[in-house]
Amino acid sequence: GAVVSQHPSRVICKSGTSVKIECRSLDFQATTMFWYRQFPKQSLMLMATSNEGSKATYEQGVEKDKFLINHASLTLSTLTVTSAHPEDSSFYICSASPTGGEKLFFGSGTQLSVL
Amino acid sequence: GEDVEQSLFLSVREGDSSVINCTYTDSSSTYLYWYKQEPGAGLQLLTYIFSNMDMKQDQRLTVLLNKKDKHLSLRIADTQTGDSAIYFCAERRGSQGNLIFGKGTKLSVKP
Repeated sequence: GAVVSQHPSRVICKSGTSVKIECRSLDFQATTMFWYRQFPKQSLMLMATSNEGSKATYEQGVEKDKFLINHASLTLSTLTVTSAHPEDSSFYICSASPTGGEKLFFGSGTQLSVL
Repeated sequence: GEDVEQSLFLSVREGDSSVINCTYTDSSSTYLYWYKQEPGAGLQLLTYIFSNMDMKQDQRLTVLLNKKDKHLSLRIADTQTGDSAIYFCAERRGSQGNLIFGKGTKLSVKP
């Protein structure tokens, strides 16, 4: 089946540093990818929709200058958490769907801990 | 209120059937999904159903959709301890839209 690879799976960083998370669709092309954030024991909240070759669409309340999204190819989207602070600590998950397909596949997630 | 609602906990005995219920609010949703999440892991797509279908069966999994009541259920037959996880119901609006998730139902399977 379709696979979405997400790296790294876990990252610990100091406050003020930037962290990049990669999301790759391994066996299909994805015009659109989605980035979610999940707090402990809570549901997934959509942060932004990543569109290949164009600017990402951010959900209300999500700072686009803090969460930089780049979707440079049909198989790769990156999320960069800039100047990370402890409140950015969370589980970040990406998802992708084959262009025109109905199935939406998820990466394995990235646990970010900011000290 | 929430767009997608689920009960938070369900406990069953091994070998019994589990039924996880979900309600959603948008009648224009095109697809409805069930995902499984184990601790510290991403979401695994279990099954999904198109909004014009009433039922879909896939091995031990049966999905029932009542579009009139906007009610979705997932039945797991012969539940095993390995089925213990959090199950998320999600609706998709439009063919390429993002998913709207419920808060998840934690299924505990007792031996």
